[in-house]
Amino acid sequence: AQTIHQWPVAEIKAVGSPLSLGCTIKGKSSPNLYWYWQATGGTLQQLFYSITVGQVESVVQLNLSASRPKDDQFILSTEKLLLSHSGFYLCAWSPGNNQDTQYFGPGTRLLVL
Amino acid sequence: GEQVEQLPSILRVQEGSSASINCTYENSASNYFPWYKQEPGENPKLIIDIRSNMERKQTQGLIVLLDKKAKRFSLHITDTQPGDSAMYFCAASGGNNYAQGLTFGLGTRVSVFP
Repeated sequence: AQTIHQWPVAEIKAVGSPLSLGCTIKGKSSPNLYWYWQATGGTLQQLFYSITVGQVESVVQLNLSASRPKDDQFILSTEKLLLSHSGFYLCAWSPGNNQDTQYFGPGTRLLVL
Repeated sequence: GEQVEQLPSILRVQEGSSASINCTYENSASNYFPWYKQEPGENPKLIIDIRSNMERKQTQGLIVLLDKKAKRFSLHITDTQPGDSAMYFCAASGGNNYAQGLTFGLGTRVSVFP
């Protein structure tokens, strides 16, 4: 069975500080991977997607960047956090091969002060 | 791209009755329509989905209908229980680009009262 793990579970960071959030999926090779952001009480906004190692496509940047250094790993980062970055960050995966069902990881809750 | 509208934003229903949520989409090439349930503090969980080759799907007290002509799909929760109280999101695929991901509606907060 596939498992998806996100780290950290939660973070409190200062405005202007750097950020790195991680996502790992086990039990599935060559998944499609996605980053979503959710404001408190809001909808899910897709940020990035990746269909293969080293390749990331941006949907909405929000002054963030993403990388896929390994087949099973997806990283979201920024060098300078803004207050507006606060929210719930969700990684999701889909099987690829034109199968678009997506499953979400547990998420990382971020508060920027 | 895709735009998804979801209504109502808030839905209060009495326990045992039905709850219905409606979504419309713009891109006629969209062909996959999942529904997610999100409880407070949790991640969204896929509860049911429907593809464009179907008009109706049912599982465990949930019914999804798809009207491709009207670009409309809906979720019906039959015999609602307190455990059905949550946020519900509809979504549509990006159409021809399977990899691109989902566009979500703004969500419906469902509250089931005794």
